[in-house]
Amino acid sequence: ETGVTQTPRHLVMGMTNKKSLKCEQHLGHNAMYWYKQSAKKPLELMFVYSLEERVENNSVPSRFSPECPNSSHLFLHLHTLQPEDSALYLCASSQDSGAGVENTIYFGEGSWLTVV
Amino acid sequence: GNSVTQMEGPVTLSEEAFLTINCTYTATGYPSLFWYVQYPGEGLQLLLKATKADDKGSNKGFEATYRKETTSFHLEKGSVQVSDSAVYFCALTPATGGFKTIFGAGTRLFVKA
Repeated sequence: ETGVTQTPRHLVMGMTNKKSLKCEQHLGHNAMYWYKQSAKKPLELMFVYSLEERVENNSVPSRFSPECPNSSHLFLHLHTLQPEDSALYLCASSQDSGAGVENTIYFGEGSWLTVV
Repeated sequence: GNSVTQMEGPVTLSEEAFLTINCTYTATGYPSLFWYVQYPGEGLQLLLKATKADDKGSNKGFEATYRKETTSFHLEKGSVQVSDSAVYFCALTPATGGFKTIFGAGTRLFVKA
């Protein structure tokens, strides 16, 4: 079983739909992340949770709503998205990153989202 | 602030050619440096890393040396294969730790048989 698993791998949704992306990590890590990867744009950090507490929210529109019920699971709830939100959404995890600690990030395979 | 700059792609090479992908960074102190690789249809995975100056990270024939004096972490491989075709990302974690790993824009590599 891979370290970080994401479901679904592909999702097509209309602009008025509500859907969720799910992520589970099997690595015993304390931190979990959502990244957005669009064509021709750098990887964008969206949210970070450490020990189930949100520690980073990079000016993400409210139509994206994260949820972290425990340190192994992370969700991204999607509501009234726009076509420009179509992208690959990557979940990741890492061990807690204090000062002086290198922070290797382990990624899932991503969820391809198409908004029509 | 912290930043990572890597060479624009795509880079197209023939099999067995030598590969260099340049990466330079801006950061205070001694960040940790990484190369991640993304194969088609997959997420990113760690390729190699270095956590202090003059360290050399290596994996699968790829190497990169942490050069503090030139603030660089260039990726090299002596003989590329078709299976190395992927997107390569240089990244850093600040010396202060934290969760803001900074990624470069990525360099796409095509290797022709």
